[in-house]
Amino acid sequence: SQTIHQWPATLVQPVGSPLSLECTVEGTSNPNLYWYRQAAGRGLQLLFYSVGIGQISSEVPQNLSASRPQDRQFILSSKKLLLSDSGFYLCAWKSPGVGEQYFGPGTRLTVT
Amino acid sequence: GNSVTQMEGPVTLSEEAFLTINCTYTATGYPSLFWYVQYPGEGLQLLLKATKADDKGSNKGFEATYRKETTSFHLEKGSVQVSDSAVYFCALSRISSGSARQLTFGSGTQLTVLP
Repeated sequence: SQTIHQWPATLVQPVGSPLSLECTVEGTSNPNLYWYRQAAGRGLQLLFYSVGIGQISSEVPQNLSASRPQDRQFILSSKKLLLSDSGFYLCAWKSPGVGEQYFGPGTRLTVT
Repeated sequence: GNSVTQMEGPVTLSEEAFLTINCTYTATGYPSLFWYVQYPGEGLQLLLKATKADDKGSNKGFEATYRKETTSFHLEKGSVQVSDSAVYFCALSRISSGSARQLTFGSGTQLTVLP
C-alpha cells in the first residue's frame, strides 16, 4: 500500500531564516505531487505541483520554492521566511490519470 | 473556471442527529467529485468520491450523490457521532490537458457533534 510522509511535524523558525520541508511517498512510482498551505481558518491554497522529476509548476508567486530531486521526493524551501509564511503545510500525491489526491499528515510552521 | 461552494459553518449537532452539508459546483464537462475530512491537527482524508452523474459515493455511514442536473454533491449521514467532529471539504477534479489534474476545494465546513 502507499504511504506519504512529511517532516518535520512541527517547526518554529525566526523571520529571515531558511526553510526546508520534505515529503516522500512510498509504494507507488511516478506520482503527481502537490504542496498546499492552509492558513488560519480552513482554506487550502495550492502552492506547487509536479508531474515528474525536475518538473515544478508554481501556482502562487511568493518567496517559497519547490524541488523534486527524486521520483517520490518533494521539497518545499525558502531562503528567508516571512511572518506570513506561518501555516499548516500539506503534501499530497496522486496517480496520473485519476482525480483523487492523498494527503500527508502535514507540517505546522510557526514563524516568529 | 471551476469552483465549489459549500454551506457556511460551523454546524453543531447532537449525537445521532441527521447531517447534511450542502455542496454545489461550477465546472464544464463532467468533473469527478470528492468529500474529504480533516480531523484537528491532521491532514485531509478522502472520505468518498463519485466519478459520473448519478453515482453515489459512500463510506463510514456517509453518502453523497452526484447530481448533474442540480450540480450538487451534498454530504449526508443518518446518525452522527461525536467522533465525526471535523472539517469537511467538498472538491472537484477535471482533466486539464498538458498538466496534472488539480483539485478545486470548497472552503470547508466545521462540524461539531455534541454528546
